Amino acid sequence: SQELEQSPQSLIVQEGKNLTINCTSSKTLYGLYWYKQKYGEGLIFLMMLQKGGEEKSHEKITAKLDEKKQQSSLHITASQPSHAGIYLCGAVLDYGGATNKLIFGTGTLLAVQP
Amino acid sequence: KAGVTQTPRYLIKTRGQQVTLSCSPISGHRSVSWYQQTPGQGLQFLFEYFSETQRNKGNFPGRFSGRQFSNSRSEMNVSTLELGDSALYLCASSLWAGVITGELFFGEGSRLTVL
Repeated sequence: SQELEQSPQSLIVQEGKNLTINCTSSKTLYGLYWYKQKYGEGLIFLMMLQKGGEEKSHEKITAKLDEKKQQSSLHITASQPSHAGIYLCGAVLDYGGATNKLIFGTGTLLAVQP
Repeated sequence: KAGVTQTPRYLIKTRGQQVTLSCSPISGHRSVSWYQQTPGQGLQFLFEYFSETQRNKGNFPGRFSGRQFSNSRSEMNVSTLELGDSALYLCASSLWAGVITGELFFGEGSRLTVL
């Protein structure tokens, strides 16, 4: 099973609607990244969360980190067609000391209908 | 400030050949990580280099190797290519290495097709 699960796998929303994407870890989280990717292109950095309870916002996107639940959520307010793409969470998981590494979830495909 | 630059952007190889991909990190960044992205497996960690030393390695066969130069530029090499090596190879750079210490920036990727 995946160590970092994202839900939902895909999402279609009407323009102007709010939406939430979740990222849940099976191991202790040391920090979490959110990225957006257009198909076949590189990853665009959105936000990095390091502390439990931390919340960051950029334009209409807000991300929160819940260390106790080993979970992060990404919330988009008043979605626009420009928000469409694949959203990926990446996390540094505890494998013990120097072997900690950054792994990624399976991604959430977002489509926004005008 | 220039971003992470990967070359080539696209390449086609045949089975059994080898390939070298290059990554120039953001100026001042000393850590470079490599990832393989495929539709079936998603984004998987290959290895991480910091100050010319490999700090971490993912679960890939020995055909996948890499190195980092004194100017922080990195190359990865895949020998004896297999069809399953067809993927988007992404490079990421950050100031420091190891446990999450800062923003991680990705390049546009090198899309490898193996025929």
